[in-house]
Amino acid sequence: EVQLVDSGGGLVQPGGSLRLSCEASGFTFRDYWMSWVRQAPGKGLEWVADINQDGSAKMYVDSVKGRFTISRDNAKNSLYLQMNSLRDEDTAVYYCAKEYRRGLDYWGQGILVTVSS
Amino acid sequence: EIVLTQSPATLSLSPGERATLSCRASQSVGSYLAWYQQKPGQAPRLLIYGASNRAPGIPASFSGSGSGTDFTLTISSLEPEDFAVYYCYQRSDWPLTFGQGTRLEIK
Repeated sequence: EVQLVDSGGGLVQPGGSLRLSCEASGFTFRDYWMSWVRQAPGKGLEWVADINQDGSAKMYVDSVKGRFTISRDNAKNSLYLQMNSLRDEDTAVYYCAKEYRRGLDYWGQGILVTVSS
Repeated sequence: EIVLTQSPATLSLSPGERATLSCRASQSVGSYLAWYQQKPGQAPRLLIYGASNRAPGIPASFSGSGSGTDFTLTISSLEPEDFAVYYCYQRSDWPLTFGQGTRLEIK
């Protein structure tokens, strides 16, 4: 059974940092692109970043470029999102997701990140 | 950036009726369009990928069509569990984008 378990969220002050993790199981992690998607409270879905199978290609939405870094450790079946210089508008539930034929077929449970003083 | 515009914003229908949801792209995305369903407090669920391919385990009542800039998600006969928010998503070019969503509510 495919599982994605998100962790690492919480409350952080503006300007602070957090590192999200996503532990994958039930599939060959190293064979798939992976994404982070977020959803602000009461709002729609926003793609944040994705990474290719070996980590050599990383793409970001403009609003997080230079502040967030996506990475993966295929030996640990884990995906990460390092978030620096956090802003109020980064407050959201963050989901990791596995790519399947240019869709995202499995999602983590979501982890809440709250940026507030 | 490719902007996806979904219509209508809200669709009010009764169980058993047919639902037609639209997604229009600001430029061609070929067939690299997917549809998701999201219920309150849950992660999104992939329904359709490649514009018209049902994801594993998705009922045949869900179908997708279109290519280029105009896409449609059709639910042939609404079940009570189908009332949710639906999003389209393009993976044709970065930044990847979602539509703003269509809320399907019970009339």
